[in-house]
Amino acid sequence: QQQVKQSPQSLIVQKGGISIINCAYENTAFDYFPWYQQFPGKGPALLIAIRPDVSEKKEGRFTISFNKSAKQFSLHIMDSQPGDSATYFCAAKIAGGGADGLTFGKGTHLIIQP
Amino acid sequence: GAGVSQSPSNKVTEKGKDVELRCDPISGHTALYWYRQSLGQGLEFLIYFQGNSAPDKSGLPSDRFSAERTGGSVSTLTIQRTQQEDSAVYLCASSLARALGEYFGPGTRLTVT
Repeated sequence: QQQVKQSPQSLIVQKGGISIINCAYENTAFDYFPWYQQFPGKGPALLIAIRPDVSEKKEGRFTISFNKSAKQFSLHIMDSQPGDSATYFCAAKIAGGGADGLTFGKGTHLIIQP
Repeated sequence: GAGVSQSPSNKVTEKGKDVELRCDPISGHTALYWYRQSLGQGLEFLIYFQGNSAPDKSGLPSDRFSAERTGGSVSTLTIQRTQQEDSAVYLCASSLARALGEYFGPGTRLTVT
């Protein structure tokens, strides 16, 4: 059972454009939703995270939008740059208890064309 | 400051051999996690430590896998009698507390021939 579904699998955006990646989750007990950026040969790097008590969080060019009723959240990258080309993963966790780690989406391969 | 470090960065081993992977978390981080990343399965959670204790080991793929953490710091993931399906990148992450963000190391790429 895939608890976090991520789309699209791959995305090509022109430099300066907005990149949008979407995720949907099934487990309503999830209460922590981070996004990770991964470059080839490197470990995932924490970009930004949100908790379900807010609907949006912005850090620099990165924004998470969260819709609790729809069980969906998305990452927006404004003014996308070639250096943003990487694989992005959404994830979810029950941070308030339990013994599980993050449940990840399958990833989105983002290419920013100059 | 120093991030999560893992060693070795690459490991090639023959089928049937045992391997030991090491993780040094960020200093002061009480929570430590092991994940596995492969093309077919994506990123999978394996085990979580709070201090030296792992409350739930059910995420480990088989009884050939074991993990321990000592002194609330270094952790080792051991795979006995390695199989070709164990080939993957093994990632370690740590966080100040379970409810806070997890920071990943660079991973150990394991190849079983």
